[in-house]
Amino acid sequence: QSVLTQPPSMSAAPGQKVTISCSGSSSNFGNYYVSWYQQLPGTAPKLLIYDNNKRPSGIPDRFSGSKSVTSATLGITGLQTGDEAVYFCGAWDGSLSAGVFGGGTKLTVL
Amino acid sequence: QVTLRESGPALVKPTQTLTLTCTFSGFSLITSGMCVSWIRQPPGKALEWLARIDWDDDKYYSTSLKSRLTISKDTSKNQVVLRMTNMDPVDTATYYCARYAVTTATLDYWGQGTLVTVPS
Repeated sequence: QSVLTQPPSMSAAPGQKVTISCSGSSSNFGNYYVSWYQQLPGTAPKLLIYDNNKRPSGIPDRFSGSKSVTSATLGITGLQTGDEAVYFCGAWDGSLSAGVFGGGTKLTVL
Repeated sequence: QVTLRESGPALVKPTQTLTLTCTFSGFSLITSGMCVSWIRQPPGKALEWLARIDWDDDKYYSTSLKSRLTISKDTSKNQVVLRMTNMDPVDTATYYCARYAVTTATLDYWGQGTLVTVPS
């Protein structure tokens, strides 16, 4: 059972927008930044969003992130078939002194 | 250019100790704020954070696996080693190492991963 909670799956049509939620607690989201990772089929996870809402170089602005006290959201606009992947949220947990992840959300673009 | 590569046995027998090495380039673990983490992913399942070692040799472990894990570094070789004792079939997974930068508080670069199988 993952410390952070994500919906297991979501689907949307090409061109549409989707938001993926991630729920945490004060021990992780309350004091630490949230990151989002994209895992395309058969590949290693790749950093998509860090510091709650910042994009690394090369990540298009179709991807965005936001965070409230104990939840975070990944937004993807203008969906493309190439966005089909599993998306994970992650953070540091101060109570555990350990990293934590969500269970992952499998996004289908159909 | 930052790269990380995991290496180790593809097959480990139950009760044996797994030793994985992460060889990296493009950064140094003597630089303040640099860290390396290990993460694993059983087939078709979620990511599980395992351990982290920092530039100042601070170490952090998964609460549930702490008794079985040891992380260490060799800064002269740009390597981080993870040891996991008493391997079990449930430990079958792809094991990743990744760079963690304190300033960005994120796993910003990942290795390609290495699949470790523990037969039943």
